[in-house]
Amino acid sequence: DTEVTQTPKHLVMGMTNKKSLKCEQHMGHRAMYWYKQKAKKPPELMFVYSYEKLSINESVPSRFSPECPNSSLLNLHLHALQPEDSALYLCASSQGGGGPYNEQFFGPGTRLTVL
Amino acid sequence: GDSVTQMEGPVTLSEEACLTINCTYTATGYPSLFWYVQYPGEGLQLLLKATKADDKGSNKGFEATYRKETTSFHLEKGSVQVSDSAVYFCAGAGGTSYGKLTFGQGTILTVHP
Repeated sequence: DTEVTQTPKHLVMGMTNKKSLKCEQHMGHRAMYWYKQKAKKPPELMFVYSYEKLSINESVPSRFSPECPNSSLLNLHLHALQPEDSALYLCASSQGGGGPYNEQFFGPGTRLTVL
Repeated sequence: GDSVTQMEGPVTLSEEACLTINCTYTATGYPSLFWYVQYPGEGLQLLLKATKADDKGSNKGFEATYRKETTSFHLEKGSVQVSDSAVYFCAGAGGTSYGKLTFGQGTILTVHP
């Protein structure tokens, strides 16, 4: 299985809602990533988990809260979002360990709209 | 810090035309280099990769060679198809950016019949 899955595919939420995005991989990868992507722009890194521990937080607002329950799962909890947070949220995974080779496999993304 | 400079688009071609999208990477050390493609409404797919100098990545008729002297990784295809219309991102990893991919700005390719 060389796939990263993400649910839901689409999400519409109000600014007072609480919702969660889910990501799953079964490739035995030990690094998992959340990216935010605006239309026709490159993905922007938000968080990196390495061996289930948060290793990189790119100064993301606290209304985004990541969670890594186990090595296969990655969640992104959303609360009190703003309309400018509307974007495609991508999850990725890689073998982990950094070094000279860091191929990341991306999921299809969750298209988030904040009203 | 690390950076990727990618040829800006958009690029519009007729079917069967030749494609070149330039990409150069600035980093300490020798990063691995990648080309990702994003079709409309989808996530990113790895198109090809190279992990060391002189490596040549190829997939679906696309090719790119890792040139050490210039840290360049230009994407080429001899004959594009309408189905190649997408956004192409050059990216690098390694060097000083442990665990992080550095992306170029992306190039929008549109191929007309």
